[in-house]
Amino acid sequence: GNSVTQMEGPVTLSEEAFLTINCTYTATGYPSLFWYVQYPGEGLQLLLKATKADDKGSNKGFEATYRKETTSFHLEKGSVQVSDSAVYFCALSDQGNTPLVFGKGTRLSVIA
Amino acid sequence: ETGVTQSPTHLIKTRGQQVTLRCSSQSGHNTVSWYQQALGQGPQFIFQYYREEENGRGNFPPRFSGLQFPNYSSELNVNALELDDSALYLCASQEGPGELFFGEGSRLTVL
Repeated sequence: GNSVTQMEGPVTLSEEAFLTINCTYTATGYPSLFWYVQYPGEGLQLLLKATKADDKGSNKGFEATYRKETTSFHLEKGSVQVSDSAVYFCALSDQGNTPLVFGKGTRLSVIA
Repeated sequence: ETGVTQSPTHLIKTRGQQVTLRCSSQSGHNTVSWYQQALGQGPQFIFQYYREEENGRGNFPPRFSGLQFPNYSSELNVNALELDDSALYLCASQEGPGELFFGEGSRLTVL
């Protein structure tokens, strides 16, 4: 079945550091890929998505590129801020937007 | 804020009891999905409702059941609670195949 594997956390970075959170997937067909973010005490929010190979999703300085050849969708940001501290989830869906299959999440802490 | 509201935010039950969780979807959204997020894990799909009918189900036993009402709000019912049912239960609403909007969740503790 479909699955998502993302790097274990927690990840601790200093402000303005470069961020990469790795995500790889297993799926039949051509899934849509997503990154969701969960800030403390809040629900999940869609951060970005890509629906086909080589698409790049971007939002709030975060980017991820759909790499079919490596079945990956790594999340990157050039300069993190303290406000980026949250849990990040990689997810896929092979039916548009639902149902979503999530990775286990990666907790990011950014210190000033 | 997504406009998806869930209640209660926290509750404690004992093994064998039953629980009902509620979700009010964002205005205009006719599809509701429920997810279970155990501690340290990603959310897992329980089921989805579209216009009051179950429209997909994940790998959860029949003691997990749901309802969707004409106003598109929804309930998740869990019977015969087990310790492993302790988790954050997330509701998400969407309009057709559009983006999912998640509520803040109901945290259930089973003792």
